[in-house]
Amino acid sequence: EVQLVESGGGLVQPGGSLRLSCAASGITFRNNWMHWVRQAPGKGLLWVSYINSDGSTTTYADSVKGRFTISRDNAKNTVYLQMNSLRAEDTAVYYCARDRSYSKDSWGLGTLVTVS
Amino acid sequence: QSALTQPRSVSGSPGQSVTISCTGTSSDVGAYNYISWYQQHPGRAPKLLIYDVSLRPSGVPDRFSGSKSGSTASLTLSGLQAEDDADYYCCSYAGTYTWMFGGGTKVTVL
Repeated sequence: EVQLVESGGGLVQPGGSLRLSCAASGITFRNNWMHWVRQAPGKGLLWVSYINSDGSTTTYADSVKGRFTISRDNAKNTVYLQMNSLRAEDTAVYYCARDRSYSKDSWGLGTLVTVS
Repeated sequence: QSALTQPRSVSGSPGQSVTISCTGTSSDVGAYNYISWYQQHPGRAPKLLIYDVSLRPSGVPDRFSGSKSGSTASLTLSGLQAEDDADYYCCSYAGTYTWMFGGGTKVTVL
């Protein structure tokens, strides 16, 4: 069974930084593309970032480009999201998700980031 | 990167069918058959219902079906059940390894 567990969320001041982690189990992590998706309180889903299986390709939503960095450590079965220059509008639950045929077939429970 | 357009809400009685539309452009929904749909209950993580426009992952009931015509994708819920009361989101691949979600649709089972 695929399990994704996010951690690292919390309260941070505007302009601050935070690093989220997502630990995967039950899959051959090094073979999987991964995503970060966020959901602001009471709002819809927003795709944030993508990383391919070996970390050589990364992409970002325009709203986070230049401030967020996705990375992975296949030896630790973990994907990260480094978030810098945080803004109030970055407040959200951040989910990591596994890619399957350009969809997201497994999701973690999410970690809450509050910028205030 | 604008969100795909979904109706804010739809409703139906148990046993009825409802359809949710997801309208994009020729650069996303119209360009790729990588359309997926997700169900989200309050306080829960999203769950994949449909991928590749019309394919269902193992365990998803065949009451859920997907289709696409031009730049509009659709999700149909047949034989509505109380547990279908939830939010539904479409998502499309938009090229160069970027994706976009719809704004979400609240389905109410009357």
